[in-house]
Amino acid sequence: DAGITQSPRHKVTETGTPVTLRCHQTENHRYMYWYRQDPGHGLRLIHYSYGVKDTDKGEVSDGYSVSRSKTEDFLLTLESATSSQTSVYFCAIKDGWWAGGYEQYFGPGTRLTVT
Amino acid sequence: AQSVTQLDSQVPVFEEAPVELRCNYSSSVSVYLFWYVQYPNQGLQLLLKYLSGSTLVESINGFEAEFNKSQTSFHLRKPSVHISDTAEYFCAVSAGGTSYGKLTFGQGTILTVHP
Repeated sequence: DAGITQSPRHKVTETGTPVTLRCHQTENHRYMYWYRQDPGHGLRLIHYSYGVKDTDKGEVSDGYSVSRSKTEDFLLTLESATSSQTSVYFCAIKDGWWAGGYEQYFGPGTRLTVT
Repeated sequence: AQSVTQLDSQVPVFEEAPVELRCNYSSSVSVYLFWYVQYPNQGLQLLLKYLSGSTLVESINGFEAEFNKSQTSFHLRKPSVHISDTAEYFCAVSAGGTSYGKLTFGQGTILTVHP
């Protein structure tokens, strides 16, 4: 158990509304990631963070923003939700290289439906 | 940039039969390779990893994978599957160096074990 929680676990929202998903970790990991999972696409990286206030875009970042104001929380915001953003969202963490961290550990996921 | 191709989207097999899930990757740099498993309605769990050293890596529940650099493959095998192995399996690759540990996933292979 990597001490990762995601909230909410399920959410239904309407097109055009803003949505924020939260990832919380309790073990002071340096790196945090947001992925989305869609059938036939596996998981695709949305954004990632390599420290407090240090973030960068991933493969599918359009329509998403992130913030990391403290080590334990990484927020994903959909500024104006669209139906194409209906997906399951996973947060993941990884230690720094000096801590021997090569693999990522995943949270339980958030199922988001945009109607 | 890296890419991962899982050659089979679905693999049905009978209990106690052997199974192989195929994964090919492409990368211009040295990589770390991973297999993750996702049971229904759950998050991803790390199954096994290749970082360096012996090209054959094993998991605690009987799966093994072999890194083949010349064929750029990392196929997952189990000599005798159980009903409980029914799940979706994802191959993933991460480049070393300054890649921030970002993972690129394959599309996933659904393994269904029939009694």
